[in-house]
Amino acid sequence: GAGVSQSPRYKVTKRGQDVALRCDPISGHVSLYWYRQALGQGPEFLTYFNYEAQQDKSGLPNDRFSAERPEGSISTLTIQRTEQRDSAMYRCASSFGTGAPFGYTFGSGTRLTVV
Amino acid sequence: AQSVTQLDSHVSVSEGTPVLLRCNYSSSYSPSLFWYVQHPNKGLQLLLKYTSAATLVKGINGFEAEFKKSETSFHLTKPSAHMSDAAEYFCVVSVDYQKVTFGTGTKLQVIP
Repeated sequence: GAGVSQSPRYKVTKRGQDVALRCDPISGHVSLYWYRQALGQGPEFLTYFNYEAQQDKSGLPNDRFSAERPEGSISTLTIQRTEQRDSAMYRCASSFGTGAPFGYTFGSGTRLTVV
Repeated sequence: AQSVTQLDSHVSVSEGTPVLLRCNYSSSYSPSLFWYVQHPNKGLQLLLKYTSAATLVKGINGFEAEFKKSETSFHLTKPSAHMSDAAEYFCVVSVDYQKVTFGTGTKLQVIP
């Protein structure tokens, strides 16, 4: 597509439920990144993929968080047993090349609220 | 290890006056540096990037930034602020070309 598409735009879920956040990167973009942005903070790195391979997941806060990109295109970030502290804006970005010099194109994000 | 510090959480300028948003970085190796802008309810948009070419980088909407290695700074400037510049700005550093580190952001207010 023309840009990075994330869905849903807004998600309200009850504590303890699982949620899946979707990211559809720009067609042909090799690298895909997930960030989390709490209110009033800058984006915090979670994980990234080159093609379908997860290269770095050191930013995932705990084992309730996981991500996949099985065909090297669309990615899903899954949060199991959600907690109120998981409430944040989750942003996805993609990049044409495998690296920062190419810059990143960010999606509009998914606003997750855990009640 | 890499880090970035945005020295001001809020900056307020009058329309038509210069803008200066400050950013200092720390890295073990030569960094790539970026400025992103985030308007309310919008995604992050790349303003400009420095990747070891010219130290003075020009971006979109009249913004520019200068990489100063001796001062470990990458301040964002614009000669004349416009109302549409009101947004939050993030300074970003990357050393290993994969993981990036964002600053905490600077909210720019433009007063008519």
